[in-house]
Amino acid sequence: QQQVKQSPQSLIVQKGGISIINCAYENTAFDYFPWYQQFPGKGPALLIAIRPDVSEKKEGRFTISFNKSAKQFSLHIMDSQPGDSATYFCASPTMFSGGYNKLIFGAGTRLAVHP
Amino acid sequence: EAGVAQSPRYKIIEKRQSVAFWCNPISGHATLYWYQQILGQGPKLLIQFQNNGVVDDSQLPKDRFSAERLKGVDSTLKIQPAKLEDSAVYLCASRSPGRDTTYEQYFGPGTRLTVT
Repeated sequence: QQQVKQSPQSLIVQKGGISIINCAYENTAFDYFPWYQQFPGKGPALLIAIRPDVSEKKEGRFTISFNKSAKQFSLHIMDSQPGDSATYFCASPTMFSGGYNKLIFGAGTRLAVHP
Repeated sequence: EAGVAQSPRYKIIEKRQSVAFWCNPISGHATLYWYQQILGQGPKLLIQFQNNGVVDDSQLPKDRFSAERLKGVDSTLKIQPAKLEDSAVYLCASRSPGRDTTYEQYFGPGTRLTVT
């Protein structure tokens, strides 16, 4: 089973600050790399995703930076808000038999934004 | 558009008992996934269906876990007999057809299973 290494495990940021979460992957399929956000008691929800042939994607306060040569990508949350407090998961697409892809998830980063 | 529905939301059973979870995906979503999420970890794929056929069950403990998706819509995941280490949240997810949408999965709220 391929690995996806996510760091840090937990993160505390002051309101208005920048939250940065990193992810490292192994071999992968050509497919989008997503970040998911999960609130307590809820299922994960897609937050933002990036194509592997693009180095950066920005949506509002959320930016993904992608470094294909290093096999790393990161999530930046600008102007972090208390409502951003959640657990964030990166995922790497992986091809398996039959030509199908699946997602391998990282272990998650618990973000707490203090007012 | 209704989301992915799962039931029950919570289940407490004793070890060696059996349990079943139900999932109703978003209408029109041909691909359905069952994930296991142990506390403090990311979701781990157990089984993936394409319509009513299994395309990946490599991580499913087949000696105790089984899953089916009749008529390519609803799905059930069963554990028999349960072990203490099966305590986790079981998530169902679905996605729309198309091979380039693997990243865009829609998750249900999950079923929290506690095995005592």
